[in-house]
Amino acid sequence: QPVLTQPPSVSATPGQKVTLSCSGGSSNVEHNFVSWYQRLPGTAPRLLIYDNDKRSPGIPDRFSGFKSGWTATLGITGLQAGDEADYYCATWDSRLAAWVFGGGTKLTVL
Amino acid sequence: QVQLVQSGAEVKKPGSSMKLSCKTSDYTLIRHYSHWVRQAPGQGFEWLGVINPTYGTTTYASKFQGRVTMTTDTSTATAYMELTSLTSDDTAVYYCATAQRDDLLTGSPGRWGQGTLVIVSS
Repeated sequence: QPVLTQPPSVSATPGQKVTLSCSGGSSNVEHNFVSWYQRLPGTAPRLLIYDNDKRSPGIPDRFSGFKSGWTATLGITGLQAGDEADYYCATWDSRLAAWVFGGGTKLTVL
Repeated sequence: QVQLVQSGAEVKKPGSSMKLSCKTSDYTLIRHYSHWVRQAPGQGFEWLGVINPTYGTTTYASKFQGRVTMTTDTSTATAYMELTSLTSDDTAVYYCATAQRDDLLTGSPGRWGQGTLVIVSS
């Protein structure tokens, strides 16, 4: 079982805004920076967001990150067909002394 | 664009060892922390550890302590990850990734290699 909890799937239509959640606890999300990754089919993960809310170079401002307490959120506005992918969150876990990941959310653009 | 190029797919026998490589075209990039992460079929990502190539220091996930060794050859801009005593549970795609910051707690995996498929089967 992944340490971080993400909804398995989310769907939305083009142009809409979606929010993807990532829930953890006091040893990980609450006190450590969260990163978000996009994984398009057949490709390696791409870093979208780091330090909770900083966009990686080249990532459009349609993507945003937010964290409050034990939950981090990835927001995507102006949804496009090309955003259809798996999205993962990750953070350092102080109790496990390891980087931990969520199970991923499959975003479907209808 | 700078890439991380990983070694090719491997098929290993249970009980054997594997040593994967991850080469970058940017000799400055290899001087940054390098993570190794794997994804088993139908599973999520699992972190194996990270190496600080400046000092050669490593931090391994407790699950892999004693079985994993990470090294870096800065002269060839290549990182290596060796995993011993393989079982079928080690069947996965293994990724190298340079950290977006040279810090263990805040330097998440940034730029990723394409992955290496390792199948452990008798």
